[in-house]
Amino acid sequence: SQELEQSPQSLIVQEGKNLTINCTSSKTLYGLYWYKQKYGEGLIFLMMLQKGGEEKSHEKITAKLDEKKQQSSLHITASQPSHAGIYLCGADANSGGSNYKLTFGKGTLLTVNP
Amino acid sequence: EPEVTQTPSHQVTQMGQEVILRCVPISNHLYFYWYRQILGQKVEFLVSFYNNEISEKSEIFDDQFSVERPDGSNFTLKIRSTKLEDSAMYFCASRYRVSGNTIYFGEGSWLTVV
Repeated sequence: SQELEQSPQSLIVQEGKNLTINCTSSKTLYGLYWYKQKYGEGLIFLMMLQKGGEEKSHEKITAKLDEKKQQSSLHITASQPSHAGIYLCGADANSGGSNYKLTFGKGTLLTVNP
Repeated sequence: EPEVTQTPSHQVTQMGQEVILRCVPISNHLYFYWYRQILGQKVEFLVSFYNNEISEKSEIFDDQFSVERPDGSNFTLKIRSTKLEDSAMYFCASRYRVSGNTIYFGEGSWLTVV
């Protein structure tokens, strides 16, 4: 089964600082998804990456998928308190069935101090 | 923007009682999922549903669990006889098609079994 390792497990940054969260897979990623979760709330979709070398940005968040499609990074520029939360990476697993489920990493808890 | 809606947002139930969690997926989506997240742990796959039948289920999804799409819009998760260890956040999710399509998650239903 596919395992996703996220690092770091938690991160505390000062407002305005840049940061990077990594997600590494034990297998080739067919689709890599980034979600944000506030504690005790739902998962908010951020971005999806599929192709090796792909990079997407939305506002101050940039996600990249490496050429080998086994590692993704999420970079936040000039962090704000509103960026605080748990960031989850999820991967499409070729489950062998007719539809793919997502397998998630354990998440990275981001705290942004004002 | 269309969204997945879930009810109830929070339910407290006695051990041994039956619980039904309800979801309204995004209207043109074809694939439906239930996930759960025990406090402080990973988001875990429970079951996927397509074309009015279960397409895959995890080992967590034992005989105590069932899913149904009773009327073409709702998607329900039933836990027949709840146990303390069923206490978790349950997320419903849907996607239009597999491979390259985003999975959208609902806000979740907190289930507390006492």
